[in-house]
Amino acid sequence: EAGVAQSPRYKIIEKRQSVAFWCNPISGHATLYWYQQILGQGPKLLIQFQNNGVVDDSQLPKDRFSAERLKGVDSTLKIQPAKLEDSAVYLCASSLGPGTRGETQYFGPGTRLLVL
Amino acid sequence: SQQGEEDPQALSIQEGENATMNCSYKTSINNLQWYRQNSGRGLVHLILIRSNEREKHSGRLRVTLDTSKKSSSLLITASRAADTASYFCATNTGNTPLVFGKGTRLSVIA
Repeated sequence: EAGVAQSPRYKIIEKRQSVAFWCNPISGHATLYWYQQILGQGPKLLIQFQNNGVVDDSQLPKDRFSAERLKGVDSTLKIQPAKLEDSAVYLCASSLGPGTRGETQYFGPGTRLLVL
Repeated sequence: SQQGEEDPQALSIQEGENATMNCSYKTSINNLQWYRQNSGRGLVHLILIRSNEREKHSGRLRVTLDTSKKSSSLLITASRAADTASYFCATNTGNTPLVFGKGTRLSVIA
């Protein structure tokens, strides 16, 4: 079974530029998550989708971050414009169930973003 | 907000020794999970323990849960260099997503 795929693996941009990350979850997984992990910290949930609907985006900085999951499969996360403090690893994860009972999540390798 | 708090922040041991990491949390939980993250990689699920369970085993891993103290521990026995990683606890409090702690960085020296 293929795991969660993410691209790109690394991205370096200058502040005020925009960037987009892509995630392909495990086939058949209804729930998809985007996390931000700053160096030395645990992952922080940015947004959770169930199929193509948003379940939780309370910690997503909506003035600059946006995400979509068209057709309930792949997802993209965009930052526009980027700030220095956005430098982090962006992790995508998926789970089979709705994610409301703490189901096991399967993580992709992450995208390491550096904003200069 | 971070629900779980791992302790210690960093741990260095010799290969073959046991490693113990602790996680404390603040509110009642449905379950608690432990994940491992190797440098530059995504997180890998290790074990899930439900609130009505006190202990679970998986290979060289042993997890305990004390809901009265709101704490959990992860024991890795007979550690190997390949166990070098960061270990995170994550809690589920009901109809909410998992909340991860800051992690314990384990170094196993060969």
